Amino acid sequence: GENVEQHPSTLSVQEGDSAVIKCTYSDSASNYFPWYKQELGKGPQLIIDIRSNVGEKKDQRIAVTLNKTAKHFSLHITETQPEDSAVYFCAALAWGGTSYGKLTFGQGTILTVHP
Amino acid sequence: DGGITQSPKYLFRKEGQNVTLSCEQNLNHDAMYWYRQDPGQGLRLIYYSQIVNDFQKGDIAEGYSVSREKKESFPLTVTSAQKNPTAFYLCASSPGVGTEAFFGQGTRLTVV
Repeated sequence: GENVEQHPSTLSVQEGDSAVIKCTYSDSASNYFPWYKQELGKGPQLIIDIRSNVGEKKDQRIAVTLNKTAKHFSLHITETQPEDSAVYFCAALAWGGTSYGKLTFGQGTILTVHP
Repeated sequence: DGGITQSPKYLFRKEGQNVTLSCEQNLNHDAMYWYRQDPGQGLRLIYYSQIVNDFQKGDIAEGYSVSREKKESFPLTVTSAQKNPTAFYLCASSPGVGTEAFFGQGTRLTVV
């Protein structure tokens, strides 16, 4: 089955700096890769996603890159702000075989942005 | 007001009792998911369903059961066979495979 590894587990940056979170996946059949932000005591919310026919996608200060050959994808946050502090999760969706439709998450990254 | 609703927000049960967590969505989504979240372990998939009357085991299905009799409802039962049931449980739904999954606000289950 799919296995998603996420690094780092914690990330501390100064306000205005960039933050990068990386994920690798194991199932070459996966083709949808969302990123979620979770604030304390709440459910995760989608912040950006990418499909396997696209190498990069950007939405204001957030961007995601995908390397299907190497089976890894990354989240980039530029000009970080204190309100970006949260737990971030990557995920991969299986698109074939017995795991069709299964959405597997990474372990999460606790991002802290210091004012 | 559309969305995905989990109830209750907090739930306490005695050890050895079965308990059912509710998840309802009025988004007309086909797919629904149940995840368990423990500190430092991210979200682990318990069960998922692509369509009514069908569901598949996730990575940690032992000790849990689900049903999908209606499109809008996907209740999760935590049975007494689950060795360590205390956790934060999250339900999600999506229009279909490969589309955005929307999460509920979670149920924190404490077994004493």
